[in-house]
Amino acid sequence: NAGVTQTPKFQVLKTGQSMTLQCAQDMNHNSMYWYRQDPGMGLRLIYYSASEGTTDKGEVPNGYNVSRLNKREFSLRLESAAPSQTSVYFCASMSVTSGNTIYFGEGSWLTVV
Amino acid sequence: KNEVEQSPQNLTAQEGEFITINCSYSVGISALHWLQQHPGGGIVSLFMLSSGKKKHGRLIATINIQEKHSSLHITASHPRDSAVYICAVYGNKLVFGAGTILRVKS
Repeated sequence: NAGVTQTPKFQVLKTGQSMTLQCAQDMNHNSMYWYRQDPGMGLRLIYYSASEGTTDKGEVPNGYNVSRLNKREFSLRLESAAPSQTSVYFCASMSVTSGNTIYFGEGSWLTVV
Repeated sequence: KNEVEQSPQNLTAQEGEFITINCSYSVGISALHWLQQHPGGGIVSLFMLSSGKKKHGRLIATINIQEKHSSLHITASHPRDSAVYICAVYGNKLVFGAGTILRVKS
């Protein structure tokens, strides 16, 4: 039981490059989330998926796209990376019907130069 | 105005002190979570509350649904409690507070 797995852990991108952050959970959770964390800003919601096949914008969705490929996987894509997207990204999952415990991935440190 | 407000933003305590971190929210929720983030980034869930009070070791969490307020208490604080403590609420999605940076000095 691996919980929530995020890849990659570290990535350096040049401005304008694209990349996808992958997230997978093996707990059969319905809800999955992508957050970014910046110094002094706390965790800000980028996108979330309440269930397989649905996605919704969060607080800071501009510059990102997401795909809920299946119940396990929820990916975050940066189509044209900008230095403002330098951040630590966290994926999380939660089952509303099973204790509501939140599980986080270990984080992905992204630097855009 | 943020949907979730935490106070204080920063807190320094001496080992052994009783610590309280507060969380206020402005939206209807079905659950409130307290999380801990250690240096290096890992985030773990401490409590999930929908009413009343929960205790785990030296940690106690309370929630007042009518007042839309929750507190996290740490009794007999220890340097290993130094971390960022984050409040999150769940209505139809998870929304996080900015976190409280706690440093416990020996």
